[in-house]
Amino acid sequence: LAKTTQPISMDSYEGQEVNITCSHNNIATNDYITWYQQFPSQGPRFIIQGYKTKVTNEVASLFIPADRKSSTLSLPRVSLSDTAVYYCVSGSARQLTFGSGTQLTVLP
Amino acid sequence: DVKVTQSSRYLVKRTGEKVFLECVQDMDHENMFWYRQDPGLGLRLIYFSYDVKMKEKGDIPEGYSVSREKKERFSLILESASTNQTSMYLCASPPGGGFSNQPQHFGDGTRLSIL
Repeated sequence: LAKTTQPISMDSYEGQEVNITCSHNNIATNDYITWYQQFPSQGPRFIIQGYKTKVTNEVASLFIPADRKSSTLSLPRVSLSDTAVYYCVSGSARQLTFGSGTQLTVLP
Repeated sequence: DVKVTQSSRYLVKRTGEKVFLECVQDMDHENMFWYRQDPGLGLRLIYFSYDVKMKEKGDIPEGYSVSREKKERFSLILESASTNQTSMYLCASPPGGGFSNQPQHFGDGTRLSIL
């Protein structure tokens, strides 16, 4: 079973770019990589998903190297409201492996 | 916008009680999932369902059962609640059927305490 590892916590300042890297051992050929954001007392919310190379949407970018054994979530110019737990998830459909989450704290 | 609704945000029950957690989705999705979330452990899959009356065990099904009588509703049942089932329970449902890789839509969770 794939194992997903990410840092427990990170601090940043408002306006900075934040990169959170996740490693996913034994990622399978069909597996996608998805990142979620979670605020206290809420369910996780989808941020971005990718399979390989680079994906960008209006809130984040996701970088996946050729071997796909890791991925990096990039949040440009973070604000205080980006303080949350970020989960890296690998897998496909009914076999998802969640990381333990990275607590991102954005400081003024 | 997809809505996944869990019937209770907070619930307190006693050891040995039978507990029902309800989840409803409004987008006619085929797949529905139940996870529990514990500090330091992330989310762990308890059960999922890919159609009415169909279910499959996840990684930690012991002590739980599920029911899906209607497509929009997926119930998690703690047959005889124990203190180690105190946790945050999250229901999720992705668009697409079968083995779709669409991202999950989560409810806001039920924080269950077993005394």
